[in-house]
Amino acid sequence: EAGVTQSPTHLIKTRGQQATLRCSPISGHTSVYWYQQALGLGLQFLLWYDEGEERNRGNFPPRFSGRQFPNYSSELNVNALELEDSALYLCASRGRGKSETQYFGPGTRLLVL
Amino acid sequence: GENVEQHPSTLSVQEGDSAVIKCTYSDSASNYFPWYKQELGKRPQLIIDIRSNVGEKKDQRIAVTLNKTAKHFSLHITETQPEDSAVYFCAASLTSGGSYIPTFGRGTSLIVHP
Repeated sequence: EAGVTQSPTHLIKTRGQQATLRCSPISGHTSVYWYQQALGLGLQFLLWYDEGEERNRGNFPPRFSGRQFPNYSSELNVNALELEDSALYLCASRGRGKSETQYFGPGTRLLVL
Repeated sequence: GENVEQHPSTLSVQEGDSAVIKCTYSDSASNYFPWYKQELGKRPQLIIDIRSNVGEKKDQRIAVTLNKTAKHFSLHITETQPEDSAVYFCAASLTSGGSYIPTFGRGTSLIVHP
């Protein structure tokens, strides 16, 4: 069974541009979580999607947005990129119902110049 | 909201020694506590977890203890090996009521010297 996949692995953008990051969850998983991992700051929760709906968002500005598709894959969009957005963006998926464990993808390394 | 503190930020041990990483949480309603290991350049991987109705859990060289009264939980690694070198993250979450969003600690960089 394939794990969580993310694309692209690396992304270089300039300030003010937009970035789109993609995530495919483990087959059968309906929840997708997005995290930002900046150096020394651990994992900061960005967004949670479940069954196609945004269920919760972390303390990030509205220029961080996303969606979940009918096949449960997800997209994270970051508009008006700032230098501080440079980080590793991790996606995690979780199974249906009361399943607790999140499984992480390899991440997308975003560099904003 | 939940706040998780993790200590130490860096831990250096000799191969064969034990390592202990401690976390405290603020929300007494949290009931699920996973630990993740992240090797350099790789994804975080779940290594062990514990639920609030259990005080201790072991898996080979790894154990986790939970003190609900004091709101702290710890990861214990015995007989450390160089391949244990990684960043370890603790997390706390509330899994009832449909909320499954973990709050992570800032991580502990474990270095095991051969």
